[in-house]
Amino acid sequence: AQKITQTQPGMFVQEKEAVTLDCTYDTSDQSYGLFWYKQPSSGEMIFLIYQGSYDEQNATEGRYSLNFQKARKSANLVISASQLGDSAMYFCAMILQWSGGYNKLIFGAGTRLAVHP
Amino acid sequence: NAGVTQTPKFQVLKTGQSMTLQCAQDMNHEYMSWYRQDPGMGLRLIHYSVGAGITDQGEVPNGYNVSRSTTEDFPLRLLSAAPSQTSVYFCASSYRQGVNQPQHFGDGTRLSIL
Repeated sequence: AQKITQTQPGMFVQEKEAVTLDCTYDTSDQSYGLFWYKQPSSGEMIFLIYQGSYDEQNATEGRYSLNFQKARKSANLVISASQLGDSAMYFCAMILQWSGGYNKLIFGAGTRLAVHP
Repeated sequence: NAGVTQTPKFQVLKTGQSMTLQCAQDMNHEYMSWYRQDPGMGLRLIHYSVGAGITDQGEVPNGYNVSRSTTEDFPLRLLSAAPSQTSVYFCASSYRQGVNQPQHFGDGTRLSIL
């Protein structure tokens, strides 16, 4: 079954510390994309980082890095030097080429991160 | 830095009314899509388009129509609103269709059907 699992419903971290948000995925496809999105309380969905299934190097975007372990089917998001503005819901997502001809975007249930001063 | 713009942000409708949710992007993206976000169900694809003049159905297309007359615009029409269509609607776009294409989302439209 094609699935994204985020096992941490909520996390908290002290400002300026690093935090890891867990994500595991399940697919038998060889070609897929893994993404992380941030959804603040205002509701918009903000793209953070992308990792392709064939990429050998872990993706990094500023304070965000994606710890990609293909054999374990995990794609954890690491946020370094947390800021108060990082408090939000974080979604791990996977894009697959679906049999219906479209790209199927599968989201995890999300992890709510709270950054404390 | 407009990106993907959705209007309106909030809307309340009565059962049976029709309306159009607007979506525009200024990134010259070929691929555009509409999702609905419901608690416990993640994002579900309603309709998508791979370019101007081309649209197709996603997972939950019933009760919705779309058109793509220009690259920039991809409106979603509710034909006869039903309470089951109460949801948060997101428009998204990417440079082209593909598993390596990050989808950029609008801010969402919160729709309530009474």
